[in-house]
Amino acid sequence: EADIYQTPRYLVIGTGKKITLECSQTMGHDKMYWYQQDPGMELHLIHYSYGVNSTEKGDLSSESTVSRIRTEHFPLTLESARPSHTSQYLCASSVGGAKNIQYFGAGTRLSVL
Amino acid sequence: AQSVAQPEDQVNVAEGNPLTVKCTYSVSGNPYLFWYVQYPNRGLQFLLKYITGDNLVKGSYGFEAEFNKSQTSFHLKKPSALVSDSALYFCAAYSGGYQKVTFGTGTKLQVIP
Repeated sequence: EADIYQTPRYLVIGTGKKITLECSQTMGHDKMYWYQQDPGMELHLIHYSYGVNSTEKGDLSSESTVSRIRTEHFPLTLESARPSHTSQYLCASSVGGAKNIQYFGAGTRLSVL
Repeated sequence: AQSVAQPEDQVNVAEGNPLTVKCTYSVSGNPYLFWYVQYPNRGLQFLLKYITGDNLVKGSYGFEAEFNKSQTSFHLKKPSALVSDSALYFCAAYSGGYQKVTFGTGTKLQVIP
């Protein structure tokens, strides 16, 4: 079992609310990733980080933002949630880059009403 | 760009029978290829990885995958399916040119008792 944790596991909120999805790992991995998983199962990379103070946008455009102030922590923030943000969000980490094994958290299932 | 195709949305197999989950890829250069499994309400878990060398890669839980360069395929196999193997399976590819991992759309495996 990987030591990567996401909270909350489930979140139901109203439109316009600001939310932060938490992701922490205790493995000391330098690389971290956020994926959005559609109801139809496909994963899309929305953000990644190569280390502290490094963040990049992924393949899928997202209105969310991320920060990496500490190695172990990679939170994702939505300033104003909308129903189109309803999805599952998966956080992952790896050592040495994307060519290596990624370890995933259990995910946050977000519903915006 | 690179892509990963999993042509079957769902695969049904009887318990005890061999199973195959198909994956084809398109990358520039030599690929790193992965299989991950996702159980309900969980994150993805690593199963196995191909970098180079033997075309038959053995992984966790009795799974193996066969790399075929000429057919650009990396099919997941198991000699005897268990009901507990029922889950969502993702194929993924990484190449040095693209510097990111691309996931397939996933295949739901249903093992019937």
